[in-house]
Amino acid sequence: GQQLNQSPQSMFIQEGEDVSMNCTSSSIFNTWLWYKQDPGEGPVLLIALYKAGELTSNGRLTAQFGITRKDSFLNISASIPSDVGIYFCARAGGTSYGKLTFGQGTILTVHP
Amino acid sequence: DVKVTQSSRYLVKRTGEKVFLECVQDMDHENMFWYRQDPGLGLRLIYFSYDVKMKEKGDIPEGYSVSREKKERFSLILESASTNQTSMYLCASRDGTGALANEKLFFGSGTQLSVL
Repeated sequence: GQQLNQSPQSMFIQEGEDVSMNCTSSSIFNTWLWYKQDPGEGPVLLIALYKAGELTSNGRLTAQFGITRKDSFLNISASIPSDVGIYFCARAGGTSYGKLTFGQGTILTVHP
Repeated sequence: DVKVTQSSRYLVKRTGEKVFLECVQDMDHENMFWYRQDPGLGLRLIYFSYDVKMKEKGDIPEGYSVSREKKERFSLILESASTNQTSMYLCASRDGTGALANEKLFFGSGTQLSVL
């Protein structure tokens, strides 16, 4: 199936630092999604993007749908310990069944 | 809140055993999914169901089957478990009305399966 390349694979940062991660694909998509997985839990949707160039915020999180429709970025400002977890990008398939393809994930560790 | 419940948090099985992973959702969602999560590979779709008794293969269906006899329940079956099926299994559901804004999946907490 279609592959998403997510980077970096892992990040170790100090509390208060800003974080940036991205996701790229060889194909054009109409929807980009960002999920977060807390330790011991399933992923939860953070942000959904539906239009090229769209910039959307959710608290300290900001995500952008790349203008080429082949990439997306997630930024976290002023990180806190509860930001720890795995962040996944995902793209929606061409049907209405919600079939998603996920990136490999970025493991975020925040040192107090 | 939507709740997706997976019957077991941890399972240990032996090679060759038949394994059932159960998932129940309480929001009357049409669509349900089974993913497996492996380090460095992200989440990969095994099977999904868009309605009762309907199923479609995902990206890695080999070695798995599914059953959806009731709308709220979606079961993943490993007919003969193998060591390479040791993984975290995540069930998800979605409101299947087809509206673009309904790409949101609700996930269970996962079942960590170890096949020895």
